[in-house]
Amino acid sequence: QVTLRESGPALVRPTQTLTLTCTFSGFSLSTSGVCVNWIRQPPGKALEWLARIDWDDDKYYSASLETRLTISKDTSKDQVVLTMTNMDPVDTATYYCARMFTPSGYYFDSWGQGTLVTVSS
Amino acid sequence: DIQMTQSPSSVSASVGDRVTITCRASQASSNWLVWYQLKPAKAPRLLISGATTLQTGVPSRFSGSGYGTEFILTISSLQPEDFATYYCQQANSFPLTFGGGTKVEVK
Repeated sequence: QVTLRESGPALVRPTQTLTLTCTFSGFSLSTSGVCVNWIRQPPGKALEWLARIDWDDDKYYSASLETRLTISKDTSKDQVVLTMTNMDPVDTATYYCARMFTPSGYYFDSWGQGTLVTVSS
Repeated sequence: DIQMTQSPSSVSASVGDRVTITCRASQASSNWLVWYQLKPAKAPRLLISGATTLQTGVPSRFSGSGYGTEFILTISSLQPEDFATYYCQQANSFPLTFGGGTKVEVK
């Protein structure tokens, strides 16, 4: 059974750096074709893809956020970490991690429940 | 980037109703279109991939159709557990982009 769970702070101050961890089970990020993505959803708004890290450590970022994002993985711990610098109230959102198996296509077959991050002073 | 436009943004329906949701892509995406169901405090659920392929465990009342730039999600007979928000996503190219969502509400 594939599971993913996001963890991190619920409240972040403006200009701070957000660090989110995705802990997963039921699959290995060492398996060819497997990747983990981050997606967010601001309250009342649509989903937005943020970043992806592949089994071979290739990384991809949203062009609009690339300068602020870093994605990394710890295969031994089955974790993926996303950092976002210089947080702003507009970054208030539910942040999800999700698995993708690229040979099947560019979509997310398993998601975590998400974690709500509020940016406020 | 490929822009995805969903309609309607919300629909009020009753149990047993047929519900259709449309998703349009700003450029042709072949059949690279997926649908998700989102409910509060629950993990989003992949319903359909490849525009028409129902995922394992998804009830057969859900169906997808379309190709190119216009896609449709149909719920043939709405059930109580189907009240949720539905999103399309183009799976053709990065950055992956989503529609604005359609909230299916109780009439």
